[in-house]
Amino acid sequence: NAGVTQTPKFRILKIGQSMTLQCAQDMNHNYMYWYRQDPGMGLKLIYYSVGAGITDKGEVPNGYNVSRSTTEDFPLRLELAAPSQTSVYFCASSPDRSYEKLFFGSGTQLSVL
Amino acid sequence: AQTVTQSQPEMSVQEAETVTLSCTYDTSESDYYLFWYKQPPSRQMILVIRQEAYKQQNATENRFSVNFQKAAKSFSLKISDSQLGDAAMYFCAYNTDKLIFGTGTRLQVFP
Repeated sequence: NAGVTQTPKFRILKIGQSMTLQCAQDMNHNYMYWYRQDPGMGLKLIYYSVGAGITDKGEVPNGYNVSRSTTEDFPLRLELAAPSQTSVYFCASSPDRSYEKLFFGSGTQLSVL
Repeated sequence: AQTVTQSQPEMSVQEAETVTLSCTYDTSESDYYLFWYKQPPSRQMILVIRQEAYKQQNATENRFSVNFQKAAKSFSLKISDSQLGDAAMYFCAYNTDKLIFGTGTRLQVFP
């Protein structure tokens, strides 16, 4: 059971470049989330999804897009990368809204230079 | 606004001793959940303990327990018999429909 798998683990982008952070879970969870963690800070919710075809904005959605075409996959798209998007990105999934069982991926360290 | 405050950026404890990490939150909701997560250097977020606001009894998980004071909006984590493997960042989080995290407390454990 792989859990939540994020790729890549590390990435360096130049300002203005675009990229997609991949997230996949094999637990058949309906709820999936993208968070970013800035140095010395807690996690901020970027986007979330309550099921295939349904996505919604979190606290800090600007500069990002998501899609949820399948239950398993929840990619995060960065368009026109900016230095302010330098952060560690976490994908997470849960079977329901209670957060009692919230599974995190191992994170993606992204630097925009 | 819903906020979570962890006023201790860093804490340290000697192995086998007890340490308490503080957390306060602000909400107008009456029904919610509170969590403590551990983030070791591997960056994986691990659920330590969970408390439901409507339950007066403090949650306990082995060496980890909470002191939940609903009126004071306080949710502290007590780690007993601290072990070297407890060294990590600890995040307090609050939930109604979204999970709101505090800024974290870095715990060092000395032998």
